[in-house]
This record gives sequence, structure tokens and C-alpha cells, in this order.
Amino acid sequence: GQQVMQIPQYQHVQEGEDFTTYCNSSTTLSNIQWYKQRPGGHPVFLIQLVKSGEVKKQKRLTFQFGEAKKNSSLHITATQTTDVGTYFCAGPTSYDKVIFGPGTSLSVIP
Amino acid sequence: DTGVSQDPRHKITKRGQNVTFRCDPISEHNRLYWYRQTLGQGPEFLTYFQNEAQLEKSRLLSDRFSAERPKGSFSTLEIQRTEQGDSAMYLCASSSHSGSGDTQYFGPGTRLTVL
Repeated sequence: GQQVMQIPQYQHVQEGEDFTTYCNSSTTLSNIQWYKQRPGGHPVFLIQLVKSGEVKKQKRLTFQFGEAKKNSSLHITATQTTDVGTYFCAGPTSYDKVIFGPGTSLSVIP
Repeated sequence: DTGVSQDPRHKITKRGQNVTFRCDPISEHNRLYWYRQTLGQGPEFLTYFQNEAQLEKSRLLSDRFSAERPKGSFSTLEIQRTEQGDSAMYLCASSSHSGSGDTQYFGPGTRLTVL
């Protein structure tokens, strides 16, 4: 079946360093979404990308959707302790339901 | 607060007992999803509804799991004859499905512990 993968599984960075997580789908996606889950919390929607090659920015976060619409990335510039959490990508399957990747857990060392 | 509520927030039960969880989605949302999440993993799809119709149920889900959304509003997830492997966080999410996407708004989850 359709799969959504993410790398790395874990990332530890010093505060102020940059961070990138990558998402790959086994099939072409009509759109991709990114969510953040803080420790002890539930996933919270960050953004949705729809167009091939689309790039969106939210302050220090930059999201990119690949040209083939099978991969995506999230880049955080100059991480802060408030960025700690797990970042998930999610996309619709051919049957239209949304499935989530396994997530990248980010730790920021002050 | 996303506007999605779940009840109870925590449930401790003994193996073999039945449990039922409730989810109240955002009122204007037509889709409702149930996910299961264990430590260090992403939300695992269980089932979803569009209005009152159950569109899909995960093939990984045993017959002990059943979900309903009787009037297209709140939903219940029942687990019969619970097993220790059922211990997890059960998340509900609602969305207003459109042609451009299916943004999920999650509730706080119900944490199930099976002893």
C-alpha cells in the first residue's frame, strides 16, 4: 500500500542551528500537509502545499513540495527551544484518506 | 483548543473488558478520523467517516474494534475484549473535506491503558 516515510527519525541540534526533515511518498500526492506535535500534546496543523515545486514560509520555517509531488521538506532556520517536538508530514492516499509519516523528533539543546 | 473534544481523556481497564470512547468534532466538519498513536510513532489510521458513512476501516484493525457516527456529528470508538497491545493514545480528528485538501484538527486524545 501507499507509504509516507520521513528522515531522520531523530535530530538533536544546538539552539541556533538549522534543522531539516524530509518526507517521501511512494506515490504522487495531490497535496501534502505538515503537523507539529509537542511532547504530551496532539498534532497541530502547520501548513498545506498543493502545487508542484511550491515553497511556503512561516517565519523561520520553510516548506517545500517537490516537482514530482512525491517528496517534501521542512527547514527551520536558527532553531529555538520552542521548536522542540515531532514534525509529521501527511498526505492523501489514492482512496482519499489522509495517512501520516512516522515523524521526525527534534530536540534543541539550549 | 481546536474545538474537537474527546472523552474520556484517560481510561484504565483490565484485559478482556470493553471500552468506548467518544469524539465531538467541529460542528461544520463533515469528515471524522480515528487514529491510534503509540510512543515514538506517527498517528496510525484506524477508520474515517464522511458525514454518517464509514468510508474505510484499516485492514490492520481487528473485528474487536468498531466505530459509529450515527447522525454525522459525534462518533464513538468501541474496543471489545481489550488486550494489552491495545494500550495507546486514541486520537480523533475532524476536517472539512474539500477538493484542495483535508486539514486535520485533532482532539486531545484518549489515553488507554490495559492492565
